Amino acid sequence: DTGVSQNPRHKITKRGQNVTFRCDPISEHNRLYWYRQTLGQGPEFLTYFQNEAQLEKSRLLSDRFSAERPKGSFSTLEIQRTEQGDSAMYLCASSFGAGGARDKNIQYFGAGTRLSVL
Amino acid sequence: QKEVEQDPGPLSVPEGAIVSLNCTYSNSAFQYFMWYRQYSRKGPELLMYTYSSGNKEDGRFTAQVDKSSKYISLFIRDSQPSDSATYLCAMSGGGFQKLVFGTGTRLLVSP
Repeated sequence: DTGVSQNPRHKITKRGQNVTFRCDPISEHNRLYWYRQTLGQGPEFLTYFQNEAQLEKSRLLSDRFSAERPKGSFSTLEIQRTEQGDSAMYLCASSFGAGGARDKNIQYFGAGTRLSVL
Repeated sequence: QKEVEQDPGPLSVPEGAIVSLNCTYSNSAFQYFMWYRQYSRKGPELLMYTYSSGNKEDGRFTAQVDKSSKYISLFIRDSQPSDSATYLCAMSGGGFQKLVFGTGTRLLVSP
């Protein structure tokens, strides 16, 4: 198992374009989370999935943002009509999920996708 | 006021020093407390986690949680230049869903 994988690592786009990021969680992890991190700040929660169900969305997730997790495996995060304020590191994390030993709820992060909107 | 407060630093220490990193929080519902280490342009890497109050030790690292004071700490003994990174505290409620992070403290360990 190679951990949480995110692609691409870096995306440069022009304002107004749409972008899509992909996250492959640790196998058998049924929870998947998206966070956004700007320079000098800690990650901020965006949304999370339990299997294929999206259970919570932050108010940070405007209507230009959409996330999916078809079949409960990999997830995609799409940003439509990008704005310069969307420039950030987008982090994905996964965990085994609720129930069982507490350490099964620990979130493990990928390396992130750095988005630069010009 | 942020839910989790953390001094952004930078904190500069000589190699071999004992480092103390701290966070305060306001939400009494937090039960899981974690420390992540993040190198520049990388994702956060889990160092330690603690459930509820108490201490936990792992090698050179010790995590402490004082829920009565809403204060958590990470101690690093015999600090090494390779420990130079940003240290993020993170917390979650009992349902263990979203993590709430501090801003991170940048640590610089000089040889």
